[in-house]
Amino acid sequence: DAKTTQPNSMESNEEEPVHLPCNHSTISGTDYIHWYRQLPSQGPEYVIHGLTSNVNNRMASLAIAEDRKSSTLILHRATLRDAAVYYCITDTGTASKLTFGTGTRLQVTL
Amino acid sequence: NAGVTQTPKFQVLKTGQSMTLQCAQDMNHEYMSWYRQDPGMGLRLIHYSVGAGITDQGEVPNGYNVSRSTTEDFPLRLLSAAPSQTSVYFCASSYSGTGFSSSYEQYFGPGTRLTVT
Repeated sequence: DAKTTQPNSMESNEEEPVHLPCNHSTISGTDYIHWYRQLPSQGPEYVIHGLTSNVNNRMASLAIAEDRKSSTLILHRATLRDAAVYYCITDTGTASKLTFGTGTRLQVTL
Repeated sequence: NAGVTQTPKFQVLKTGQSMTLQCAQDMNHEYMSWYRQDPGMGLRLIHYSVGAGITDQGEVPNGYNVSRSTTEDFPLRLLSAAPSQTSVYFCASSYSGTGFSSSYEQYFGPGTRLTVT
């Protein structure tokens, strides 16, 4: 399994953009890059995923480096409800076998 | 759709007792998984299934059994509970698709908080 490295914690002010980085230098060509988040006392929630091209959805954007060794999750306007642990995951094989690290704890303040 | 449901929400067991954590999904997903999350840690895969009748071990399978007799249900059995199994347990499901299967998102249940004394 490819390994990811994320900062333990980050802080943001409300309504400002947040860039959450992830390094995955050992990623293989067929590994997808997934982002999940976990709000307090809840199960993880899917945010976004991609393979090579940048991706946008209603929750966030995913910017993938050209060499695929790193990616950045972008929350365009952070709200208090975005305070969570964000996990960057790369994995091959079945969707049943995601490998979670310890993630980045995002704090959002007024 | 109810999504992924888990019962019970909370459970306290004594060392040596056995129990079954229930997980059900109503999205007709082929793939289902069980994870555990210890305090301050990420999730670790216990067992997973790619379809009815097919299961396999994850990263931390010891002390747990699973079976998958239907698409909808994927129960997790603790054979003889130990304090080291105190954790929050999450069940997840996902669509299998026809392409590269890891491209599909997983849906997680709300979790079962288990304490073994």
